[in-house]
Amino acid sequence: NAGVTQTPKFQVLKTGQSMTLQCAQDMNHEYMSWYRQDPGMGLRLIHYSVGAGITDQGEVPNGYNVSRSTTEDFPLRLLSAAPSQTSVYFCASSSGGSYNEQFFGPGTRLTVL
Amino acid sequence: GQQVMQIPQYQHVQEGEDFTTYCNSSTTLSNIQWYKQRPGGHPVFLIQLVKSGEVKKQKRLTFQFGEAKKNSSLHITATQTTDVGTYFCAVGSDYKLSFGAGTTVTVRA
Repeated sequence: NAGVTQTPKFQVLKTGQSMTLQCAQDMNHEYMSWYRQDPGMGLRLIHYSVGAGITDQGEVPNGYNVSRSTTEDFPLRLLSAAPSQTSVYFCASSSGGSYNEQFFGPGTRLTVL
Repeated sequence: GQQVMQIPQYQHVQEGEDFTTYCNSSTTLSNIQWYKQRPGGHPVFLIQLVKSGEVKKQKRLTFQFGEAKKNSSLHITATQTTDVGTYFCAVGSDYKLSFGAGTTVTVRA
């Protein structure tokens, strides 16, 4: 099993550009989520999904869109990148929602100039 | 989501010494999870606590859930250089997991 995979590992964008961060898991987990990590602030939940076709907002959803067309994939889209979105992004999956062990991907380090 | 405060933010430890990091909430928690993130890495699950007063051990790590289920602690004995990293507590509710800001541990050899 590859677990949770994320691409790309690094990305540099200019302000106003859009892009999609990819996340995939091969553990057949229904629950998937996206976090951003900024220095001194821990991980903050952006969006989450409890299954294919079902998504909801987390703590910091503004500027981000998600969709869940399959159990395996949960892409995160930045519509118009801003410098405030410079961060490290982690995708995670779990078999039991937020009450079970989260399996994290290796992360994407995004810089917006 | 529920707010959890972690203290201290930084912990500088001499190799071989013990230390404790704390996770506090103003509300009763249904569960608490602990994660470790090595420098440059991703968070890795350590343990979950759900019962009042629960104590769980993993080798040199001891995790405790408070009797009132409003706080938790992680105690590491005989710190080693492999313990370097940031330790996060996280609380789950309504499909959302809220993380504390973490305790970053450095070890002096």
